[in-house]
Amino acid sequence: GAVVSQHPSWVICKSGTSVKIECRSLDFQATTMFWYRQFPKQSLMLMATSNEGSKATYEQGVEKDKFLINHASLTLSTLTVTSAHPEDSSFYICSARIAGQRTDTQYFGPGTRLTVL
Amino acid sequence: AQSVTQPDIHITVSEGASLELRCNYSYGATPYLFWYVQSPGQGLQLLLKYFSGDTLVQGIKGFEAEFKRSQSSFNLRKPSVHWSDAAEYFCAVGALYGGATNKLIFGTGTLLAVQP
Repeated sequence: GAVVSQHPSWVICKSGTSVKIECRSLDFQATTMFWYRQFPKQSLMLMATSNEGSKATYEQGVEKDKFLINHASLTLSTLTVTSAHPEDSSFYICSARIAGQRTDTQYFGPGTRLTVL
Repeated sequence: AQSVTQPDIHITVSEGASLELRCNYSYGATPYLFWYVQSPGQGLQLLLKYFSGDTLVQGIKGFEAEFKRSQSSFNLRKPSVHWSDAAEYFCAVGALYGGATNKLIFGTGTLLAVQP
């Protein structure tokens, strides 16, 4: 149980285009999902917290107009990288927390490798 | 401020040998503590977690970790390492962070190599 999927697993795009990444909780409802970014050989950095039905909360230094997050349902959150540039190339990972759980375990998706040419 | 330190960037052990990965945290209250493992190009898999109670927690794949409040540590151990354990290991603390939503703060990771 507690499976999180991401789509696509990898994407290559041209500079200036927008890319949408989906994060789905397959067998549970997630009121809260998180988006992380991971640079090569580095740890995960939290970008934003996505709550179903409300605006996402962005971490300091993360441009909310560039990284658009939508959490339209209890099983789906999307991250759209707008006007992508080569410096946006990274590994993006989402996680989800089971709705109603008192404890704070996050279940992670397999990640999406974004390469911007 | 909350933080997690993994002092060892890279560790190499022989297959069958014991393993201990170190993790120290800084947090004002009793934290939620986690160990995750990441294989190359993959997301994170939860190995084990500590919330309260018994300070020695058992996880998947034969891993265990011990919470030591006096040392602010949560070291991960395995008595006998298998070649398939080669991966990157992340320690994380879940902390109240300016609101009701707990967030995970990750250490920088320890890359484990297993030699035959």
